Amino acid sequence: GAGVSQTPSNKVTEKGKYVELRCDPISGHTALYWYRQSLGQGPEFLIYFQGTGAADDSGLPNDRFFAVRPEGSVSTLKIQRTERGDSAVYLCASSLDPGGGYTFGSGTRLTVV
Amino acid sequence: KQEVTQIPAALSVPEGENLVLNCSFTDSAIYNLQWFRQDPGKGLTSLLLIQSSQREQTSGRLNASLDKSSGRSTLYIAASQPGDSATYLCAVISDMRFGAGTRLTVKP
Repeated sequence: GAGVSQTPSNKVTEKGKYVELRCDPISGHTALYWYRQSLGQGPEFLIYFQGTGAADDSGLPNDRFFAVRPEGSVSTLKIQRTERGDSAVYLCASSLDPGGGYTFGSGTRLTVV
Repeated sequence: KQEVTQIPAALSVPEGENLVLNCSFTDSAIYNLQWFRQDPGKGLTSLLLIQSSQREQTSGRLNASLDKSSGRSTLYIAASQPGDSATYLCAVISDMRFGAGTRLTVKP
């Protein structure tokens, strides 16, 4: 597509529930990144994919967080047993190749109540 | 681990003023650095990307410089306008690390 698309734009879920956040990168971009941003903070790195594989998942806060990119295009960030502290804006970016400039999506605002 | 710092956290200037936003990083072995703009409640819009072999990039009223040896990048905004009001973020792309941003307000 023309840009990075993230769905849904907003998600409200109850504590303890499971959520999936989707990112559709720019066509042909091999690198895909997930970040989390809290109010007043810069984006916090979560995970980076090169193609289908997670090249760096060191930013995932714990094992409740998991992400996949099975065909090297669309990626899904999965959060199990959500907690109120997971509330944030989840941002996805893609780049043509590793180390290339990022293009960000508009983000998914996750609220855990 | 790369640490990226942006000072000041907030800046307020009158319209028409030239201004400089600062970004510092702890590990100078970087590949590239990117500046973004973020409007309230919105995603990040890329402003300028500086490759490690470059010392600066320009786009319109914006100029970004990179000095790897001193661990610094600056974003210069000429003749600021109220529409420039936003949060400006720098990122060391090769380390996937962002600063916390500088919130800029340009007063008419």
